[in-house]
Amino acid sequence: DAGVIQSPRHEVTEMGQEVTLRCKPISGHDYLFWYRQTMMRGLELLIYFNNNVPIDDSGMPEDRFSAKMPNASFSTLKIQPSEPRDSAVYFCASSSTGLGDGNTIYFGEGSWLTVV
Amino acid sequence: LAKTTQPISMDSYEGQEVNITCSHNNIATNDYITWYQQFPSQGPRFIIQGYKTKVTNEVASLFIPADRKSSTLSLPRVSLSDTAVYYCLVVRHTNAGKSTFGDGTTLTVKP
Repeated sequence: DAGVIQSPRHEVTEMGQEVTLRCKPISGHDYLFWYRQTMMRGLELLIYFNNNVPIDDSGMPEDRFSAKMPNASFSTLKIQPSEPRDSAVYFCASSSTGLGDGNTIYFGEGSWLTVV
Repeated sequence: LAKTTQPISMDSYEGQEVNITCSHNNIATNDYITWYQQFPSQGPRFIIQGYKTKVTNEVASLFIPADRKSSTLSLPRVSLSDTAVYYCLVVRHTNAGKSTFGDGTTLTVKP
């Protein structure tokens, strides 16, 4: 399997612009997660989906952040408008309850966002 | 969900065995213990997972005592390339969203 695939890997944008991050989870996984990592706050869970349905978005910092999962193989995390404090690495991850592996979470390589 | 506590940093030398302990006092019956490794500019990578006693794979061993309130990741004969941040994560088997990463342990392996 190709693993969790994220795009873009790197993005530099100006404050106020819309940013869209994309994720393709591992095929067959029924959970999808969006994490954010910064030096100050470490790894934070922003939102997660189960079977394409958002379950918990309590980690989403503000209304400027939104996430969708229109189907089992695709998800987006959108920031509109972006601000410099949104600069971070955004990880998408997926897992499955049905594989007998204790619901291991597998991460993508991340999208490195810089807002100037 | 169980909060995890790990040492912030550890130093070791090449060829030594490294043990990193994580405490998770409030672990629940259906929680699994998972360890991840993260290199700079990469996503966390799964190392090993266990529920109780001992688990071993090709890269590490995981020791979990009977009360499951702690776990120890053991890396045999580390090399310079094992320098990374190691995270302990308690994952709810029925709902992986019920999990929280701690601050991780920065392991530095010296020649």
